[in-house]
Amino acid sequence: GAGVSQSPSNKVTEKGKDVELRCDPISGHTALYWYRQSLGQGLEFLIYFQGNSAPDKSGLPSDRFSAERTGGSVSTLTIQRTQQEDSAVYLCASSPMGQQNTEAFFGQGTRLTVV
Amino acid sequence: GNSVTQMEGPVTLSEEAFLTINCTYTATGYPSLFWYVQYPGEGLQLLLKATKADDKGSNKGFEATYRKETTSFHLEKGSVQVSDSAVYFCALLQGGSEKLVFGKGTKLTVNP
Repeated sequence: GAGVSQSPSNKVTEKGKDVELRCDPISGHTALYWYRQSLGQGLEFLIYFQGNSAPDKSGLPSDRFSAERTGGSVSTLTIQRTQQEDSAVYLCASSPMGQQNTEAFFGQGTRLTVV
Repeated sequence: GNSVTQMEGPVTLSEEAFLTINCTYTATGYPSLFWYVQYPGEGLQLLLKATKADDKGSNKGFEATYRKETTSFHLEKGSVQVSDSAVYFCALLQGGSEKLVFGKGTKLTVNP
Protein backbone atom coordinates (compact mmCIF):
# COMPACT_ATOMS: atom_id res chain seq x y z
CA GLY A 1 0.00 0.00 0.00
CA ALA A 2 3.02 2.28 -0.39
CA GLY A 3 2.97 5.52 -2.30
CA VAL A 4 4.89 6.38 -5.43
CA SER A 5 8.36 4.92 -5.18
CA GLN A 6 11.38 6.31 -7.02
CA SER A 7 14.88 4.93 -7.31
CA PRO A 8 17.61 5.71 -6.81
CA SER A 9 17.02 8.50 -4.33
CA ASN A 10 20.35 10.04 -5.25
CA LYS A 11 22.50 9.65 -8.34
CA VAL A 12 25.84 11.21 -9.12
CA THR A 13 27.07 10.72 -12.65
CA GLU A 14 29.83 12.01 -14.85
CA LYS A 15 29.06 14.36 -17.70
CA GLY A 16 28.43 12.41 -20.87
CA LYS A 17 27.18 9.24 -19.19
CA ASP A 18 23.64 7.87 -19.57
CA VAL A 19 21.35 7.51 -16.55
CA GLU A 20 18.07 5.71 -15.90
CA LEU A 21 15.62 6.82 -13.24
CA ARG A 22 12.85 4.50 -12.13
CA CYS A 23 9.32 5.17 -10.93
CA ASP A 24 6.90 2.67 -9.39
CA PRO A 25 3.46 4.28 -9.34
CA ILE A 26 0.67 3.45 -6.94
CA SER A 27 -0.94 0.17 -7.99
CA GLY A 28 -3.95 0.69 -10.22
CA HIS A 29 -3.13 4.26 -11.17
CA THR A 30 -3.45 4.69 -14.92
CA ALA A 31 -1.85 8.14 -15.17
CA LEU A 32 1.86 8.71 -14.60
CA TYR A 33 3.82 11.95 -14.79
CA TRP A 34 7.45 13.05 -14.69
CA TYR A 35 8.43 16.52 -13.51
CA ARG A 36 11.81 18.16 -12.98
CA GLN A 37 12.58 20.46 -10.05
CA SER A 38 15.64 22.62 -10.52
CA LEU A 39 16.90 25.73 -8.79
CA GLY A 40 16.70 27.95 -11.81
CA GLN A 41 13.52 26.69 -13.42
CA GLY A 42 11.32 25.54 -10.57
CA LEU A 43 9.01 22.59 -11.25
CA GLU A 44 8.60 21.71 -14.92
CA PHE A 45 6.40 19.12 -16.59
CA LEU A 46 8.32 16.56 -18.64
CA ILE A 47 6.04 13.76 -19.82
CA TYR A 48 2.63 12.16 -19.15
CA PHE A 49 1.41 8.61 -19.67
CA GLN A 50 -2.25 7.59 -19.59
CA GLY A 51 -3.08 3.93 -19.98
CA ASN A 52 -2.26 2.64 -23.44
CA SER A 53 -2.46 6.05 -25.11
CA ALA A 54 0.54 7.67 -26.74
CA PRO A 55 2.43 9.67 -24.10
CA ASP A 56 2.46 13.47 -24.05
CA LYS A 57 6.17 14.19 -24.46
CA SER A 58 5.79 17.93 -24.97
CA GLY A 59 7.80 18.85 -21.87
CA LEU A 60 10.95 16.87 -22.64
CA PRO A 61 13.73 19.48 -23.00
CA SER A 62 15.79 17.71 -25.66
CA ASP A 63 16.07 14.46 -27.59
CA ARG A 64 18.54 13.24 -24.97
CA PHE A 65 15.54 12.66 -22.73
CA SER A 66 13.18 9.72 -23.20
CA ALA A 67 10.77 7.75 -21.05
CA GLU A 68 8.83 4.56 -21.27
CA ARG A 69 6.20 2.85 -19.24
CA THR A 70 6.16 -0.91 -19.42
CA GLY A 71 2.98 -2.88 -18.86
CA GLY A 72 1.15 0.22 -17.78
CA SER A 73 3.02 0.28 -14.49
CA VAL A 74 6.71 0.98 -13.90
CA SER A 75 8.25 3.90 -15.78
CA THR A 76 11.87 4.65 -16.62
CA LEU A 77 13.19 8.10 -17.51
CA THR A 78 16.44 7.91 -19.46
CA ILE A 79 18.83 10.79 -19.95
CA GLN A 80 21.56 10.19 -22.51
CA ARG A 81 24.90 12.00 -22.60
CA THR A 82 24.13 13.88 -19.40
CA GLN A 83 25.05 17.54 -19.10
CA GLN A 84 25.57 19.64 -15.98
CA GLU A 85 22.33 21.51 -16.64
CA ASP A 86 20.49 18.19 -16.21
CA SER A 87 21.27 18.32 -12.49
CA ALA A 88 17.91 18.51 -10.73
CA VAL A 89 15.41 16.53 -8.69
CA TYR A 90 13.27 14.37 -10.95
CA LEU A 91 9.79 13.80 -9.56
CA CYS A 92 7.33 11.13 -10.57
CA ALA A 93 3.62 11.25 -9.80
CA SER A 94 0.66 8.99 -10.44
CA SER A 95 -3.09 9.49 -10.44
CA PRO A 96 -6.00 7.06 -10.54
CA MET A 97 -7.54 8.53 -13.70
CA GLY A 98 -5.84 11.81 -14.45
CA GLN A 99 -5.68 15.12 -12.60
CA GLN A 100 -8.84 16.62 -14.06
CA ASN A 101 -10.83 14.40 -11.71
CA THR A 102 -8.44 12.75 -9.28
CA GLU A 103 -5.45 13.77 -7.19
CA ALA A 104 -1.87 13.22 -8.29
CA PHE A 105 0.46 11.65 -5.71
CA PHE A 106 4.15 12.46 -5.89
CA GLY A 107 7.18 10.40 -5.05
CA GLN A 108 10.11 11.78 -3.09
CA GLY A 109 12.17 12.22 -6.21
CA THR A 110 15.58 11.28 -7.53
CA ARG A 111 18.28 13.89 -7.00
CA LEU A 112 20.56 13.79 -10.03
CA THR A 113 23.95 15.47 -9.89
CA VAL A 114 26.07 15.63 -13.04
CA VAL A 115 29.74 16.32 -12.35
CA GLY B 1 1.14 30.56 -22.23
CA ASN B 2 -0.04 29.63 -18.78
CA SER B 3 2.00 30.78 -15.81
CA VAL B 4 1.90 31.10 -12.05
CA THR B 5 3.60 33.79 -10.02
CA GLN B 6 3.98 33.48 -6.27
CA MET B 7 5.94 35.39 -3.69
CA GLU B 8 9.28 33.68 -3.44
CA GLY B 9 10.14 34.33 0.16
CA PRO B 10 11.64 32.96 2.23
CA VAL B 11 8.99 33.78 4.79
CA THR B 12 9.81 33.54 8.48
CA LEU B 13 7.05 33.82 11.08
CA SER B 14 6.58 33.21 14.75
CA GLU B 15 4.17 30.54 15.92
CA GLU B 16 0.51 31.67 15.91
CA ALA B 17 1.19 34.43 13.39
CA PHE B 18 -1.09 35.01 10.38
CA LEU B 19 0.17 33.70 7.06
CA THR B 20 -0.50 34.92 3.55
CA ILE B 21 1.35 33.64 0.50
CA ASN B 22 0.31 35.45 -2.64
CA CYS B 23 -0.31 33.63 -5.90
CA THR B 24 -1.50 35.03 -9.22
CA TYR B 25 -1.93 33.22 -12.49
CA THR B 26 -2.20 33.74 -16.22
CA ALA B 27 -4.30 31.26 -18.16
CA THR B 28 -6.90 31.00 -20.85
CA GLY B 29 -10.32 29.84 -19.81
CA TYR B 30 -10.95 28.52 -16.34
CA PRO B 31 -8.13 26.47 -14.90
CA SER B 32 -8.23 24.50 -11.67
CA LEU B 33 -5.96 25.94 -8.99
CA PHE B 34 -3.91 24.09 -6.39
CA TRP B 35 -1.62 24.56 -3.45
CA TYR B 36 0.95 21.82 -2.94
CA VAL B 37 3.22 21.52 0.11
CA GLN B 38 6.64 19.90 0.39
CA TYR B 39 7.68 19.14 3.96
CA PRO B 40 11.41 18.61 4.63
CA GLY B 41 12.51 15.24 3.30
CA GLU B 42 9.11 14.41 1.85
CA GLY B 43 7.41 14.44 -1.53
CA LEU B 44 4.95 17.02 -2.80
CA GLN B 45 1.49 16.70 -1.28
CA LEU B 46 -1.74 18.30 -2.37
CA LEU B 47 -2.82 20.78 0.30
CA LEU B 48 -6.00 22.17 -1.26
CA LYS B 49 -7.63 22.91 -4.58
CA ALA B 50 -10.41 24.92 -6.19
CA THR B 51 -11.92 24.18 -9.57
CA LYS B 52 -14.04 27.23 -10.34
CA ALA B 53 -14.36 30.92 -9.57
CA ASP B 54 -15.29 31.82 -5.98
CA ASP B 55 -14.62 28.28 -4.77
CA LYS B 56 -12.70 28.11 -1.51
CA GLY B 57 -10.31 25.26 -0.92
CA SER B 58 -9.44 24.43 2.67
CA ASN B 59 -7.39 21.87 4.57
CA LYS B 60 -5.42 21.73 7.84
CA GLY B 61 -6.47 25.30 8.69
CA PHE B 62 -5.25 26.66 5.35
CA GLU B 63 -7.62 28.38 2.94
CA ALA B 64 -7.45 29.82 -0.55
CA THR B 65 -10.22 31.39 -2.63
CA TYR B 66 -10.29 31.28 -6.43
CA ARG B 67 -10.64 34.92 -7.50
CA LYS B 68 -11.20 35.19 -11.23
CA GLU B 69 -11.45 38.97 -11.22
CA THR B 70 -7.96 39.32 -9.78
CA THR B 71 -6.63 35.99 -11.19
CA SER B 72 -5.43 35.11 -7.72
CA PHE B 73 -5.40 32.17 -5.32
CA HIS B 74 -3.70 33.45 -2.18
CA LEU B 75 -2.97 30.97 0.60
CA GLU B 76 -3.90 31.98 4.16
CA LYS B 77 -3.75 30.51 7.63
CA GLY B 78 -4.86 32.30 10.74
CA SER B 79 -2.35 30.79 13.17
CA VAL B 80 0.70 28.95 11.91
CA GLN B 81 2.51 26.20 13.78
CA VAL B 82 6.12 25.06 13.72
CA SER B 83 4.94 21.95 11.88
CA ASP B 84 3.78 24.14 8.96
CA SER B 85 7.40 24.85 8.05
CA ALA B 86 7.69 23.68 4.45
CA VAL B 87 7.86 24.86 0.85
CA TYR B 88 4.50 25.81 -0.65
CA PHE B 89 3.79 25.70 -4.37
CA CYS B 90 0.88 27.28 -6.18
CA ALA B 91 -0.14 25.51 -9.39
CA LEU B 92 -2.74 25.53 -12.13
CA LEU B 93 -4.21 22.87 -14.38
CA GLN B 94 -5.74 24.04 -17.60
CA GLY B 95 -9.04 22.41 -18.55
CA GLY B 96 -8.38 19.38 -20.75
CA SER B 97 -4.68 19.32 -19.87
CA GLU B 98 -2.74 17.02 -17.57
CA LYS B 99 0.24 19.35 -17.16
CA LEU B 100 0.45 21.12 -13.83
CA VAL B 101 2.06 24.56 -14.13
CA PHE B 102 3.81 25.48 -10.90
CA GLY B 103 5.00 28.66 -9.29
CA LYS B 104 8.59 28.70 -8.04
CA GLY B 105 7.68 27.89 -4.46
CA THR B 106 7.75 29.79 -1.18
CA LYS B 107 9.75 28.51 1.75
CA LEU B 108 8.03 29.06 5.08
CA THR B 109 9.83 28.78 8.39
CA VAL B 110 7.83 29.02 11.60
CA ASN B 111 9.79 29.62 14.78
CA PRO B 112 8.52 28.66 18.25
